[in-house]
Amino acid sequence: GDSVIQMQGQVTLSENDFLFINCTYSTTGYPTLFWYVQYSGEGPQLLLQVTTANNKGSSRGFEATYDKGTTSFHLQKTSVQEIDSAVYYCAMSITGNTRKLIFGLGTTLQVQP
Amino acid sequence: GGIITQTPKFLIGQEGQKLTLKCQQNFNHDTMYWYRQDSGKGLRLIYYSITENDLQKGDLSEGYDASREKKSSFSLTVTSAQKNEMAVFLCASSIANRAGNTLYFGEGSRLIVV
Repeated sequence: GDSVIQMQGQVTLSENDFLFINCTYSTTGYPTLFWYVQYSGEGPQLLLQVTTANNKGSSRGFEATYDKGTTSFHLQKTSVQEIDSAVYYCAMSITGNTRKLIFGLGTTLQVQP
Repeated sequence: GGIITQTPKFLIGQEGQKLTLKCQQNFNHDTMYWYRQDSGKGLRLIYYSITENDLQKGDLSEGYDASREKKSSFSLTVTSAQKNEMAVFLCASSIANRAGNTLYFGEGSRLIVV
């Protein structure tokens, strides 16, 4: 069935560390892939999205590449800051019903000063 | 820009009680959603609606009713509140496009069952 898998529940880094959050997906067809970020006390908001396989999305220093070969959409940032502390959700649209999004379990990022 | 307004921010009720959460959006978006957020379980879709008076079940619809009275509003009712249903409920809206849907979320409503 359709699913999004984020294995890392929590990631703790220091400022200026490299960030890598793993995301893999399972579906038929060519979904659109998303990363949403949720800051404390707020609702999730779109960080980046990629519609086409092998393309890269980027925003605010974050990047993710849609890799259809490995069915992955890992999130990376070269140098994290304390303000990046948040919960990050990987998500995908359902092929044949693009209105329906499936979210991963989320990864809580804590960046220490 | 627009905004999603969820009311109330905290909803406290007793076990077995019927409780309703409300959501308003001024984006003029077609589609609205209700997600449930539990710690460690991500976001799970309860109901969504693609237009006024339309309802589509998500993966977690049992125990809930929803109503899309008009384009700008979407309400969610917990038919019989249980203590294991304490969670944050997130409303969202989106507009359909070829690339998929970008969801805009409200700040959430926390359900507390006593």
